[in-house]
Amino acid sequence: QKEVEQDPGPLSVPEGAIVSLNCTYSNSAFQYFMWYRQYSRKGPELLMYTYSSGNKEDGRFTAQVDKSSKYISLFIRDSQPSDSATYLCAMSPTSGGYQKVTFGTGTKLQVIP
Amino acid sequence: DVKVTQSSRYLVKRTGEKVFLECVQDMDHENMFWYRQDPGLGLRLIYFSYDVKMKEKGDIPEGYSVSREKKERFSLILESASTNQTSMYLCASSYPRLAASSYNEQFFGPGTRLTVL
Repeated sequence: QKEVEQDPGPLSVPEGAIVSLNCTYSNSAFQYFMWYRQYSRKGPELLMYTYSSGNKEDGRFTAQVDKSSKYISLFIRDSQPSDSATYLCAMSPTSGGYQKVTFGTGTKLQVIP
Repeated sequence: DVKVTQSSRYLVKRTGEKVFLECVQDMDHENMFWYRQDPGLGLRLIYFSYDVKMKEKGDIPEGYSVSREKKERFSLILESASTNQTSMYLCASSYPRLAASSYNEQFFGPGTRLTVL
């Protein structure tokens, strides 16, 4: 079993829709939960991160972490064609000087105008 | 803006060739990483370095080596390329973590798509 599971999609939605992207994980040591966005032919870039449980909002994006269920989500409100990309969840434990990050496989999102 | 550059966007090599992938960052980051990205497998860490001349194996180091002679430059070496090393290679860099509650973003380069024939 992979430490981090993510549905690869693709997910296709109309412009303006609310998008929900999700990951599950098995390692209880994970305390940092990140979402990276990767446009075609580009490297991933950090969208937002959450430390431990709870919600975090940044503009149209909301990240949620439910540690009891080992489940994290990214919501995109009023989705735009420019949101079309692959979204990677990523997680990291607290211990150790080096912060090892485990990535999900990514969900490809297409927002149709 | 942080900039991580990789020497080539596309590379085609023959089986058995020695391959060098170069990565340069301009933000004075201590940490540098090499990942490969494959469909269905996501990003997997090959090697990372937390200081000049220091290196640590990641999850899949077999068939690879690295070199970090200068802080800004981190090279990935395929000693004898094989077809199963055909992949997208991504370099990243970050500051070291300063506090237990902090996450230091990894900044990625654009990637090198390597094909081994």
